[in-house]
Amino acid sequence: EIVLTQSPGTLSLSPGERATLSCRASQSVSSSYLAWYQQKPGQAPRLLIYGASSRATGIPDRFSGSGSGTDFTLTISRLEPEDFAVYYCQQYGSSPFTFGGGTKVEIK
Amino acid sequence: QVQLVQSGAEVKKPGASVKVSCKASGYTFTSYDINWVRQATGQGLEWMGWMNPNSGNTGYAQKFQGRVTMTRNTSISTAYMELSSLRSEDTAVYYCARVRSGYSLYWGQGTLVTVSS
Repeated sequence: EIVLTQSPGTLSLSPGERATLSCRASQSVSSSYLAWYQQKPGQAPRLLIYGASSRATGIPDRFSGSGSGTDFTLTISRLEPEDFAVYYCQQYGSSPFTFGGGTKVEIK
Repeated sequence: QVQLVQSGAEVKKPGASVKVSCKASGYTFTSYDINWVRQATGQGLEWMGWMNPNSGNTGYAQKFQGRVTMTRNTSISTAYMELSSLRSEDTAVYYCARVRSGYSLYWGQGTLVTVSS
């Protein structure tokens, strides 16, 4: 089973700042089959990025994903008020399709 | 538009079973796999398994092997997830999600399952 470790656990930033979230895999994620989701309280997760770097439909270009192998990054170039939420990575290259533990982006 | 509508909240006693439904609309039900994911209160997301609605083939996370069964009724475009031998640690919101190439763009609204004596 591939274990995904997200860091930091919590990121305290101000609107307009840049957010960099990390997702590290215990073994290589095949074909960069890695997705990022955003979740707000009481809501289902929302797909942001798939294939490590492809933005899902309707996702603003301030969200970008990068990485390969075992190290992946989600970057939010300039935080908007609606971006404060919890972010999860998920690998779907090898069953079970595990999620990371999440990074909470909170308002500083 | 694509929609996944799940059944309502459930309260079950330890040892019982629960069956959550996920009704799909706005697309051809048999064309996309369905994932089931759960989330305990204040915790992260946990992938439980997948089902191919066309073939009925399934794949379960080892943690749930022997306790979970994923099925479907194609005539009503509905997927089901049944979890048996419930314990308090199974208290969570359960989500279904439509899968495309492994990732999930469309999610159900979630079903809260509470296990309590």
